[in-house]
Amino acid sequence: SFVLTQPPSVSVAPGQTARITCEGNTIGGNLVHWYRQRPGQAPVLVVYDTSDRPSGIPERFSGSRSGNTATLTISRVEAGDEADYFCQVWESSSDHPYVFGTGTKVTV
Amino acid sequence: QVQLVQSGAEVKEPGSSIKVSCKSSGSPFSSYAFSWLRQAPGQGLEWMGAIIPIFDTTKKSQKFQGRLTIIADVSTNTAFMELRSLTSEDTAVYYCARGLRGPRWGGAFEVWGQGSTVSVS
Repeated sequence: SFVLTQPPSVSVAPGQTARITCEGNTIGGNLVHWYRQRPGQAPVLVVYDTSDRPSGIPERFSGSRSGNTATLTISRVEAGDEADYFCQVWESSSDHPYVFGTGTKVTV
Repeated sequence: QVQLVQSGAEVKEPGSSIKVSCKSSGSPFSSYAFSWLRQAPGQGLEWMGAIIPIFDTTKKSQKFQGRLTIIADVSTNTAFMELRSLTSEDTAVYYCARGLRGPRWGGAFEVWGQGSTVSVS
């Protein structure tokens, strides 16, 4: 099976930059997507296809990839960014093809 | 703007079945992939399976083969998920989500339902 590993937690001061990593041997060959999930709410897509933003998502959110690590960067962090963040890829060769990362709790 | 509205919370006994609905307010309903995912208390997200209504084709995680059924009713723009032989490990919030890529597998989940809480006890 394919595993995507994220740090359990990231702590950042308001106005600073948060970087959340997602590591796995399937990252390099696949597009990566990121979701924000606030407590008690459904996930929201914040970055798709590694570095694209859906409409309505601020430019403060950006995605990148280097080798087998993808990174979600949140610039000028606000209190409202406090949430869990999950990465996700589609691994067509797997019998469980939609693979999610372990999740990162961002504390502001 | 597309919205997915799911059925309400349910409490089930072990060994029983659950059926959750997901109604799409947008169109075209049949030309997108609709997935079912779940999240156990305090845990991460787990994909269960999906359907592309226009092709009436489904894909399921091997983990749920044999006890998961996914169907879609194009006349009401509603997708359904049925999970059988429930155990306490099936206690979770169940989400439906629409894929970003039209009638294709893969890609991101663009729109999510509000979630349906299922407790097995």
